[in-house]
Amino acid sequence: NAGVTQTPKFQVLKTGQSMTLQCAQDMNHEYMSWYRQDPGMGLRLIHYSVGAGITDQGEVPNGYNVSRSTTEDFPLRLLSAAPSQTSVYFCASSSYLGEQYFGPGTRLTVT
Amino acid sequence: GESVGLHLPTLSVQEGDNSIINCAYSNSASDYFIWYKQESGKGPQFIIDIRSNMDKRQGQRVTVLLNKTVKHLSLQIAATQPGDSAVYFCAETPYGGATNKLIFGTGTLLAVQP
Repeated sequence: NAGVTQTPKFQVLKTGQSMTLQCAQDMNHEYMSWYRQDPGMGLRLIHYSVGAGITDQGEVPNGYNVSRSTTEDFPLRLLSAAPSQTSVYFCASSSYLGEQYFGPGTRLTVT
Repeated sequence: GESVGLHLPTLSVQEGDNSIINCAYSNSASDYFIWYKQESGKGPQFIIDIRSNMDKRQGQRVTVLLNKTVKHLSLQIAATQPGDSAVYFCAETPYGGATNKLIFGTGTLLAVQP
């Protein structure tokens, strides 16, 4: 049981490039979320999903897309990277009313 | 204390002392609260939670207190150990405990001196 896994661990992008951050969980959790964490700050919710085929926006969704084609996977797409998207990205999963488990994070730098 | 820019409020304690970390939450409609611990380079880790129908909950070496009148949450750690050194976040949600929609505070750095 690997829990929540994220790839890559580190990524450097140039402004305007696109990429997908991968997230997978093997706990059969319905709920998955993406957060970003900027230096010295708490986590802010980007997008979340309550089940396969269902996604919704969080607090800071602009510049990001998500899809949930399976229960296990919840990729986050940056369509055209900007320096303001330099951050650490965390994926999390939980069952309904259950504890939220976080992945180890992806550290993204946009130059 | 208040978070100012990139500088997290810091609580420095001696090993063996008790620690109290405070959090002022923002939404009076929030009905579920969680404390997370985040070690350097890792994702947040669940410590303890509390629902709005309670004012105190105890775990192993940790206690969470909730004061809804002043929208204040605190985490007490007994006999603090070096392994407790981390950033601690409170999180809230008004969505009946739906933990996929949490609102996080800015965090407090706990530094345990040996």
